[in-house]
This record gives sequence, structure tokens and C-alpha cells, in this order.
Amino acid sequence: RKEVEQDPGPFNVPEGATVAFNCTYSNSASQSFFWYRQDCRKEPKLLMSVYSSGNEDGRFTAQLNRASQYISLLIRDSKLSDSATYLCVVNTLRGSYIPTFGRGTSLIVHP
Amino acid sequence: ETGVTQSPTHLIKTRGQQVTLRCSSQSGHNTVSWYQQALGQGPQFIFQYYREEENGRGNFPPRFSGLQFPNYSSELNVNALELDDSALYLCASSRPDRVNEQFFGPGTRLTVL
Repeated sequence: RKEVEQDPGPFNVPEGATVAFNCTYSNSASQSFFWYRQDCRKEPKLLMSVYSSGNEDGRFTAQLNRASQYISLLIRDSKLSDSATYLCVVNTLRGSYIPTFGRGTSLIVHP
Repeated sequence: ETGVTQSPTHLIKTRGQQVTLRCSSQSGHNTVSWYQQALGQGPQFIFQYYREEENGRGNFPPRFSGLQFPNYSSELNVNALELDDSALYLCASSRPDRVNEQFFGPGTRLTVL
């Protein structure tokens, strides 16, 4: 089983839709969690941190469920510009923090 | 504020050769991490440098090595290149108080023939 798993998609949604992605992780000792966005042929960009209490930034909401070992990202009122690959990152302490990225979930928002 | 920069942008090498990739961290960032990203995959952590020392390493063989300099810039060296080393190599820097919030450079695309 991979340490961090994401459904690669693609998720095809119309503008204005609400879409949610999950990311599961296998190491219960994992400490910190993030979502990144990566546009085609570009570098990943930090989207938001993920906390147990939830984290909202405009149309984006991230949540952590430690009991079930997954993190989620909800995008409301999707825009064409949201089309990208969304990568989750799980940091696990092994002497130092070791980050493990998922393979990413592709989102395509169409008119 | 200057972002993370990497050089070169593209590189073509042949099997068995050695390569050095370079990264300048964002202003105020003292931690640099290197990643390998194959097509269709997420970035894979190679190693991290903090205060000029390796501070964490992923599952990469010793022929992947690095350096960090006093100005926090960094190099990734790969010896004895293999075809499977063809990938996008990303450098990311972070602040000392938020080491897990990483800011990536545009990457170096390495092709090994």
C-alpha cells in the first residue's frame, strides 16, 4: 500500500460546481498536511495547510480526519482557472520531517 | 522578494555521465529541499538541507548528493546517470519557522539518453 494515495481523476466538472478530493495516508504518526496546486508544466504552489479543526480560504476548505487517516479539499463555485492538478502532502517525523506527496488529482472545469 | 530560481531549465545527458543542478532559495528561507518528479507522478523527496547539512533523506541511492552554501543556495549532484533519472527536478525553500510550507522553483528538466 502506498504511503499517500490520491485518486488521479480526472474530475470533469462544470463551472459553478462543488468538487471534493480525498487523500489517504497510511502512517498514523504523520504530523502535518498540506494541499498544493500544480498547473501543467509548472511547479507546485502551496494552496493551504490542513488542520483537524478545518481550514477555509475563500472557496477552498481543507479538513483532516486523523481517525480515518485522510485529508480532504473542497472547492465551491468552481472556476475555469481552478483546472489543475491538486497534490496532497503528508509530513512524517523520522528524525526529521519527511514529506510524501500523493500523485495528484487532476481537475478539469469546463464552461 | 525574489522567488526560488533554478538552473539550468533543461539539460540533456547520456547514461553514465554526471550532472549538477543549482537552486537559489527565496529571500529569508534557510531550508532547501530537492524533489524528483516523473511524468504523471507527484514529487518524490530526495533530501533536505538546513544550515549546510543534510537534514532528512528520501529513498534515493548515494549517487544522489547535495550541498548547501552559506547563502542558502544549493546544488544537487547525480553521478552515473541512468535512463530512469530522466525527470523534472524541483527545488523548494522554506522559512525557518514554517519549514513544511515549501515554495518551489520552476524546476530543471533532465533527459538522460
